[in-house]
Amino acid sequence: TQLLEQSPQFLSIQEGENLTVYCNSSSVFSSLQWYRQEPGEGPVLLVTVVTGGEVKKLKRLTFQFGDARKDSSLHITAAQPGDTGLYLCAGESDDYKLSFGAGTTVTVRA
Amino acid sequence: EAGVAQSPRYKIIEKRQSVAFWCNPISGHATLYWYQQILGQGPKLLIQFQNNGVVDDSQLPKDRFSAERLKGVDSTLKIQPAKLEDSAVYLCASSLTGYREQFFGPGTRLTVL
Repeated sequence: TQLLEQSPQFLSIQEGENLTVYCNSSSVFSSLQWYRQEPGEGPVLLVTVVTGGEVKKLKRLTFQFGDARKDSSLHITAAQPGDTGLYLCAGESDDYKLSFGAGTTVTVRA
Repeated sequence: EAGVAQSPRYKIIEKRQSVAFWCNPISGHATLYWYQQILGQGPKLLIQFQNNGVVDDSQLPKDRFSAERLKGVDSTLKIQPAKLEDSAVYLCASSLTGYREQFFGPGTRLTVL
């Protein structure tokens, strides 16, 4: 059983469109991390959000941490084929352990 | 800076056979993690080492899985005997003590037939 629920499970969009991926939990976390994983590779950290209500931007990617520190969202503006991958959210407990969601597979068609 | 190295990258075995995976973390990273990622799921922590000591192995199926970290650097994860449900990608990650960011290796894809 995953502590973190991600939605949608799959997302296929055309290049230039926007998309949002959600990560929800009933648990409070010290921080929420977002990773991208490409086929045959390990996850790579994109961002860590720590404070409730925090918003971080990484070029065309915007990450938000819920006020209660239980949920988060990832928004990609004007998606490009290079954004294709598996996006994973992970909640961090007080002892630095990570609990991962099942991931959202994003496909951006050229 | 070299990343986390893992070998082999792929392994196919039959059920009831044994298999071992190797991980070399980033130099200077005292904390090492082994995760299991089943297809369609996120990584699940199997075991965490701090130097050569085990911090958490609560989710490691100890009847068949074992892991060690000799001299606090390299680590091996062993499965003996393997079951069909062990088919997964086994990821190794490392981090500096007290730091959030974990750096993952490319993983070993295990197929048990």
